[in-house]
Amino acid sequence: DTAVSQTPKYLVTQMGNDKSIKCEQNLGHDTMYWYKQDSKKFLKIMFSYNNKELIINETVPNRFSPKSPDKAHLNLHINSLELGDSAVYFCASSQVGSSYNSPLHFGNGTRLTVT
Amino acid sequence: QKEVEQNSGPLSVPEGAIASLNCTYSDRGSQSFFWYRQYSGKSPELIMFIYSNGDKEDGRFTAQLNKASQYVSLLIRDSQPSDSATYLCAVKNTNAGKSTFGDGTTLTVKP
Repeated sequence: DTAVSQTPKYLVTQMGNDKSIKCEQNLGHDTMYWYKQDSKKFLKIMFSYNNKELIINETVPNRFSPKSPDKAHLNLHINSLELGDSAVYFCASSQVGSSYNSPLHFGNGTRLTVT
Repeated sequence: QKEVEQNSGPLSVPEGAIASLNCTYSDRGSQSFFWYRQYSGKSPELIMFIYSNGDKEDGRFTAQLNKASQYVSLLIRDSQPSDSATYLCAVKNTNAGKSTFGDGTTLTVKP
């Protein structure tokens, strides 16, 4: 009964390829996120969806395209992969609603290596 | 200036000691403050959150918040080797709808 699950766990691919990462949460949360964690452990938000609506779109290359078919799913598609895209990508969810104390629940991460 | 800054690590303490982790933030509109723990190769997990000035205790962990000084800290009493991890401070501005993380502080507790 994993709360936030993302696949695949590892992704090794060559420059120029296109790849996707999938995420699903069964917590009933209304908001989902993609975070990127670089080699220095810095977690940076990329996108956020609230009830399927994009609400946060940080300065991310347009090669990255998120899609949320419903509030329980958030996928990330990356076109024309570059070496600098190598990182761990975390999906997370939270129940925003009217509570400002809602923490993030993270998936196990997808380690992307671009060669 | 980074939006969220944590004391540079790594931090090493002997078993049984108190570990003190500090965090400052720049957005005065921040409303909620979180501490996450991340073991190597794992995902971040919530330890504590705090949103009112003062102290909040949960077992061996105490979070302290001073909004006037834009400062939040985490104290770990009776540190155990299992507390060895990277600790991430996150600051949330509900209006902006996002949590911003610090760089993390790596803590090592030596037996």
